[in-house]
Amino acid sequence: GENVEQHPSTLSVQEGDSAVIKCTYSDSASNYFPWYKQELGKGPQLIIDIRSNVGEKKDQRIAVTLNKTAKHFSLHITETQPEDSAVYFCAATPDTGRRALTFGSGTRLQVQP
Amino acid sequence: GAGVSQSPSNKVTEKGKDVELRCDPISGHTALYWYRQSLGQGLEFLIYFQGNSAPDKSGLPSDRFSAERTGGSVSTLTIQRTQQEDSAVYLCASSFKSGPYEQYFGPGTRLTVT
Repeated sequence: GENVEQHPSTLSVQEGDSAVIKCTYSDSASNYFPWYKQELGKGPQLIIDIRSNVGEKKDQRIAVTLNKTAKHFSLHITETQPEDSAVYFCAATPDTGRRALTFGSGTRLQVQP
Repeated sequence: GAGVSQSPSNKVTEKGKDVELRCDPISGHTALYWYRQSLGQGLEFLIYFQGNSAPDKSGLPSDRFSAERTGGSVSTLTIQRTQQEDSAVYLCASSFKSGPYEQYFGPGTRLTVT
């Protein structure tokens, strides 16, 4: 089955700096890669996703890149703000068989004001 | 519109008791997923519904866990004879249909087994 590894486990940046979180996956059949933000006491919130037919997607200060050959994808947050502080999870899933998401172990991002 | 809702938000139960956790998906979403999140951990898949049927139950950790979905909408996750290791946040997600479509999560039910 799919295995997703996520790094780093914790990340501290100064307000205004960029933050990058990286994930690798094992199943070459995976073709959908969402990113979730989870604040304390809340459920995960979908913030951006990418499918295997594109290499990059951007939404304001957030971007995701995908390298299918190397089986890795990354989340980039620019001009970080204190409200970006949360735990971020990457995930992957194929379009066949098991349809559930396989999640990475999470990255705790702390943006220092 | 209304998102995914779950109830109760918190549940404290004694070891050995049965519990039922409820999920109301987004209206019109045919796919429904249950995940478990243990303290400080990632999300672990439990079961997936397409309509009222469950094509994939492979994540249920033991036969004490079961789930059903009725009317293609509300789902209930039941844990029988709860154990302390069942303590976790149980999250429900729904998507418009199965496959690689966006999954939207509810706020979760925090289960504590004493």
